[in-house]
Order: sequence, then structure tokens, then C-alpha cells
Amino acid sequence: QVTLKESGPALVRPTQTLTLTCSFSGFSLATNGMRVSWIRQPPGKALEWLARIDYDDDKFYRASLRPRLTISKDTSKNQVVLTMTKMDPEDTATYFCARSVRALSYFDSWGQGTLVTVSS
Amino acid sequence: EIVLTQSPATLSLSPGERATLSCGASHSVGSCLAWYQQKPGQAPRLLIYDASNRATGIPARFSGSGSGTDFTLTISGLDSEDFAVYYCQQRRSWPLTFGGGTKVVMK
Repeated sequence: QVTLKESGPALVRPTQTLTLTCSFSGFSLATNGMRVSWIRQPPGKALEWLARIDYDDDKFYRASLRPRLTISKDTSKNQVVLTMTKMDPEDTATYFCARSVRALSYFDSWGQGTLVTVSS
Repeated sequence: EIVLTQSPATLSLSPGERATLSCGASHSVGSCLAWYQQKPGQAPRLLIYDASNRATGIPARFSGSGSGTDFTLTISGLDSEDFAVYYCQQRRSWPLTFGGGTKVVMK
């Protein structure tokens, strides 16, 4: 059974750096074709894909946010970490991590999400 | 960036009725489109991939069609558990993008 769970701070001050961790089980990011993405959803709004890391350490970012985003993985711990710098109140959202598999290439398993509020 | 436009924004129907949801793409995405269902406080769930393929465990009342720039998700007979928000998503080009969603509410 594939499970993912996001963790990180619920409240971040403007200009600070956000660090989120996705801990997963039921698959390995060392396995050919596995991928993990971060996706966010502002309250009452639509989903926005942010970044993806692949089993071979290839990384992909939303171009408009690229200067602020870094994605990394720790295969031994089954974790993916997203950092986002210079947080702004507009970054307030629920942040999800989700798995995709190269053969399917869509998000077939998601974490429950973690709400991050940016406020002073 | 490929923009996905979903219509209508809200669909008001009764249980048992047929729901037809649309997703239009600003550029062709071929068949590289998925549909997700999201209920309040929950993560999205993959329903349909590559425009017309049901994901594992998805009931047969859900079907998808279309290609290029026009796509449709049909729910053949609404069950009470189907009242939710539905999103389309393309994987044809970067960045991966989602539509704005269609909320299916009970009349």
C-alpha cells in the first residue's frame, strides 16, 4: 500500500524559508520510473504543480517559482524535501506531495496535505 | 503554459442524474489529460488518465472522452458520494497544469 505524508511548519513569517518533508512508504524512489511531486492549493482555489524529482535525481520546477524552489530526496529515508525561500502571504496554501510513475505519468497517490499559513 | 478551462464552474444536479463536465485546453494536449475528484478536506483522487482510461478501482459510471483541446468527464448516474470538485490536468508540456475545477453540488 502506497502512503505519503507531508510535514512542516503550520505558520511561516513573510520572507522566511519554508521546508516541507514528504515521507512515504509502499514504494522506493530508487526504483526505475518513480517520481514525487509537490503541488499546492490556496484556500478555495485550484491546484498548482510546483516541482518534481525522479528516481534518477532529475528535477523539474515550475519556471515562475524556480528561483525560490529546491527539491531533493533521501532515498534511504524514503523522503522528499521541498524548500521555498522568501515566503509571501500569497504562498498560503495546502501543500501536497504526490507520486507518479513514468508509465502512467499522473498523480496516482497523494498525501493528506499540510496547510501552511504565511503571516506576520 | 497550457491553460485548462473547466466549465461549468458549478453543476447542480440530483442523485441519479447524468453529469457532463468539460475541460478545454489552450493548446493541444493530445490525449495527455487526467481527471481527479476532490472532496472537502481530502487530497485529489485520480479518476481518469490519458483522457479515457479509468484508474484502478474507479466505478464504471465515470467515463472520459476527447482529445486535442476538448475533453469531457461524464458521470452516468450520480451517486451521493460523487458530489465533489473535479479537476482536469495535462501532462503534455511543462509546467504541468490543472484546470480551475467544476463543483458538482446536490440540487
